[in-house]
Amino acid sequence: DAKTTQPPSMDCAEGRAANLPCNHSTISGNEYVYWYRQIHSQGPQYIIHGLKNNETNEMASLIITEDRKSSTLILPHATLRDTAVYYCIVPFGGTASKLTFGTGTRLQVTL
Amino acid sequence: DTGVSQNPRHKITKRGQNVTFRCDPISEHNRLYWYRQTLGQGPEFLTYFQNEAQLEKSRLLSDRFSAERPKGSFSTLEIQRTEQGDSAMYLCASSFATPPGANRALHFGNGTRLTVT
Repeated sequence: DAKTTQPPSMDCAEGRAANLPCNHSTISGNEYVYWYRQIHSQGPQYIIHGLKNNETNEMASLIITEDRKSSTLILPHATLRDTAVYYCIVPFGGTASKLTFGTGTRLQVTL
Repeated sequence: DTGVSQNPRHKITKRGQNVTFRCDPISEHNRLYWYRQTLGQGPEFLTYFQNEAQLEKSRLLSDRFSAERPKGSFSTLEIQRTEQGDSAMYLCASSFATPPGANRALHFGNGTRLTVT
């Protein structure tokens, strides 16, 4: 997998937008960016993925820079239930099968 | 709930014993994956199946680890002669096998937590 770099932790006030950055400077042209999160004591949960266009779904938005070397996951109105570890993953060759999770960003949403 | 189901949720065993975990994937999914997660780390890929074929097993941690998916539905992960270092969360996931770009999102179960004493 292309190497990704994420900050180890972030805080966000409830109701505010949470912007989680990810650097993936070695990404190649056909590789997608996937985001998962893991709430304590649960399995990881898929959030969103994208190639080069910005993407939005009911959970989040994904902004990918034009050079594709970084991306930002946006939770528009964070709630306490969004407290989790967020993983940015670029699977090798777009296979999306053998994900390398890394240590992710621990997001703490506070009142 | 038709998500990925894993049993048991917790397993405590003595060193040297064999253990087996079961995973029931989402029924429409033809790919099934096993991951391991130790405390403070992200999940680590072990192996995966497409239908009943095991397509990748080089990441299994040792020859004490084996996985099967005999009929292309549920899967089992067995650890023989357990060691204390095997204590971890074992996660199962399933997905469709689709071309890149289509949604190959993995759907994870909540894992089996193994404690080896």
